[in-house]
Amino acid sequence: KNQVEQSPQSLIILEGKNCTLQCNYTVSPFSNLRWYKQDTGRGPVSLTIMTFSENTKSNGRYTATLDADTKQSSLHITASQLSDSASYICVVSATGGYNKLIFGAGTRLAVHP
Amino acid sequence: DTGVSQNPRHKITKRGQNVTFRCDPISEHNRLYWYRQTLGQGPEFLTYFQNEAQLEKSRLLSDRFSAERPKGSFSTLEIQRTEQGDSAMYLCASTLGPIGNEQFFGPGTRLTVL
Repeated sequence: KNQVEQSPQSLIILEGKNCTLQCNYTVSPFSNLRWYKQDTGRGPVSLTIMTFSENTKSNGRYTATLDADTKQSSLHITASQLSDSASYICVVSATGGYNKLIFGAGTRLAVHP
Repeated sequence: DTGVSQNPRHKITKRGQNVTFRCDPISEHNRLYWYRQTLGQGPEFLTYFQNEAQLEKSRLLSDRFSAERPKGSFSTLEIQRTEQGDSAMYLCASTLGPIGNEQFFGPGTRLTVL
């Protein structure tokens, strides 16, 4: 069964600190992996997308890594800001068909001053 | 704003009533997706259109749910005889070009069934 699991479920950090969110997946055949940021009451917004051959990608203070062999990904946030408070969702796309996206449950990050 | 828009943003209804949501995708995006998201969970796929053709439906989409995209542009999602379990955020996303391209999400419609 195609699944995406994220940890931790929730995280509280102080402003300015770094954090790392984890994603494990069992999706096959794998197409790509995305990290989305979802503010409360809003739709998800893409942060990064990585294909099988990519093992790291950055978008400002966000850096995503991918290990296709172990089927693990991480999202590292540096110098956190209050505006980083949101849910971060790992999404894996399977090849074929209609580009089915398998979503993780997300990690809810709270950045406190 | 040229992003994906959804209306209404919030809908409160009584159990047994019918509701209809609308999604306007990014102009010229040929693929449109509907998802349902419950609290603390990631979105779950409901259905997918390529232009006006509905090509895939999830088992989550019971016979009380129907979606249309009559002219290949905006789409509607109707829920008949709503149940409390239908309470969720309903998200729409659109994309253009090859399968695998990024899906752009709308802000969602939050449905509360009393």
